[in-house]
Amino acid sequence: GAGVSQSPSNKVTEKGKDVELRCDPISGHTALYWYRQSLGQGLEFLIYFQGNSAPDKSGLPSDRFSAERTGGSVSTLTIQRTQQEDSAVYLCASSSAGNPSYNEQFFGPGTRLTVL
Amino acid sequence: DAKTTQPNSMESNEEEPVHLPCNHSTISGTDYIHWYRQLPSQGPEYVIHGLTSNVNNRMASLAIAEDRKSSTLILHRATLRDAAVYYCILSTSGTYKYIFGTGTRLKVLA
Repeated sequence: GAGVSQSPSNKVTEKGKDVELRCDPISGHTALYWYRQSLGQGLEFLIYFQGNSAPDKSGLPSDRFSAERTGGSVSTLTIQRTQQEDSAVYLCASSSAGNPSYNEQFFGPGTRLTVL
Repeated sequence: DAKTTQPNSMESNEEEPVHLPCNHSTISGTDYIHWYRQLPSQGPEYVIHGLTSNVNNRMASLAIAEDRKSSTLILHRATLRDAAVYYCILSTSGTYKYIFGTGTRLKVLA
């Protein structure tokens, strides 16, 4: 079946512009996660959704970052007034219902964001 | 959040076993041990997970020390396709947050 998809695959923007990154999770997966991976680094957790709710937004780096999820499916990560330090690969993952601590997370291919 | 420590890089010859170590001395009784790997230009993929007992699946084996302060991911016969960054992650039961370290970059030599 279809895996997690993300769009766009690449995004180049100018400093100060807003960007929207989209994630389509695996159908039926209630949990959705956003991570950020800077060049040569491990993954940094950003936010988690259970259904349409985000119980913990503390991983978002600043108030320029926001995310929403609608219909328990598609999620959008929005970065306002982008800065050069926002350049990274943004990864989305989803998992099925149940105990989130041992449910396998399925990752998308990521969106590479470059802020000039 | 409990932390893990892994070597930055390792090398293996093709078709030989590989043992990837992970130290997690601050692990708590309810923390699960997960391994994911990330192939070049791809998102991470699940490899294996466990709590207390050793685990086997089609991809690998996970050996967990008796005191749970360390674990080892075992690839029984490394192939060139196994060249990736391997992440050892702890997650506390009931929580959702994975804390990724910098992982071990495995190089497989033909």
